[in-house]
Parts: sequence; structure tokens; C-alpha cells
Amino acid sequence: DVKVTQSSRYLVKRTGEKVFLECVQDMDHENMFWYRQDPGLGLRLIYFSYDVKMKEKGDIPEGYSVSREKKERFSLILESASTNQTSMYLCASSFGGSLYNEQFFGPGTRLTVL
Amino acid sequence: QQQVKQSPQSLIVQKGGISIINCAYENTAFDYFPWYQQFPGKGPALLIAIRPDVSEKKEGRFTISFNKSAKQFSLHIMDSQPGDSATYFCAAIRKGGYNKLIFGAGTRLAVHP
Repeated sequence: DVKVTQSSRYLVKRTGEKVFLECVQDMDHENMFWYRQDPGLGLRLIYFSYDVKMKEKGDIPEGYSVSREKKERFSLILESASTNQTSMYLCASSFGGSLYNEQFFGPGTRLTVL
Repeated sequence: QQQVKQSPQSLIVQKGGISIINCAYENTAFDYFPWYQQFPGKGPALLIAIRPDVSEKKEGRFTISFNKSAKQFSLHIMDSQPGDSATYFCAAIRKGGYNKLIFGAGTRLAVHP
């Protein structure tokens, strides 16, 4: 059974703080993704990684960075959190090699920036 | 600007009824159209998916209808049940890239007993 876990379910941070969101998958997936989910906007891709140390910008990368030092772990970093980054953050992973491979999602981290 | 337009935003259906959610897209490079289901407090999970060379796909009570010329696709939930109450997202994946999902805005479905 595929498992994608995220380090926190809820997080409250202050404006200007550096924030780390961690994601771990246990299925040896090549691809990992970070999305943010906002009402009325669906899920939007922030960054993804198709291999260790590789990363590609998604549709809304501004204000975020990522790190993938190990295959199973993908971190999202908010260098200086701002109130407009208050959102639900979802991590996902999938096998590489095909467009049609299913993405498996974690339960999400609800981040509030005060 | 939403690349995949989804409607309605919310939907209320009586138990046993048919739930219909519609999506439309412009980009002809999209090559795969999955639907995801999300329950409160959970991440989305793949429900059903279709490729553009097929006009319909059915899995149990869930059916995707696909109209390639109109660039529209829809999810039909037959005999809707209270347990189907969730948020549904249509999505699309572009040919030639990694399997990056582009999501619609979501439809919150409530099935009343």
C-alpha cells in the first residue's frame, strides 16, 4: 500500500519566518510533487522533482524552493513566509516513465501565516 | 487563468440520483484526463481516468464521457450515495512532459439521504 506522509497536519508561522514542509514516500517513486490547494482554484503545482537533486518549476514557484537529497524525501521551503502563502499544501508521488502513472497524495499540511 | 474549467462549483443530489460534473479545456496537447476524489481531511485519490481516443469509460457507478471535438469531458455518478459526498477534481496531463497534473477548480458534491 502506497504511503505518502507529510510532517505536519497543521502549522502556524509568523510572517518572515523560514518554513520547511517535509514529504516522505515509501514506494520508491521517481517523481514527487508539491501542490497548494485553495478554494475555487483547485490544486496548483508549485514544484516537482523527477529524480534526486533534480527539480522543475511548476505553475506557481514564486516564493518557494525545494530540496530532494534522497529519493524518498521532498522538502518544500518558504524562505520568508507571507500571509498570501496561507494554504493547504499537498505532496504527491508517482513512478516515472509514463504520463499515465497514478499520483498518490499525502493528507496535506494546512499552513497559516500570521 | 484556469486551463481546465470545471463546473458546477457545488452540487446537491438526492440519494439514488445522478451526479454530473463537467470539465472543458482548450489545450489540444492534453493527452490524459483523470478524475480525483477528495474526502475531508484526506488528500485526493485517483477515481477514474480516460485517454482521448476513447469516448466513454465506466467503472462501477462512475462513468467518464469524453467529447474530443468539443474539448469537454464529464463525470457521471449513477445511483449517488451519501458516501460519495466529497470534492471531485478533473485534471489533464500534457503530452511529452512528466505526468504533471493540471487541475480544475473542484466540485463539492453533497448527496442527501
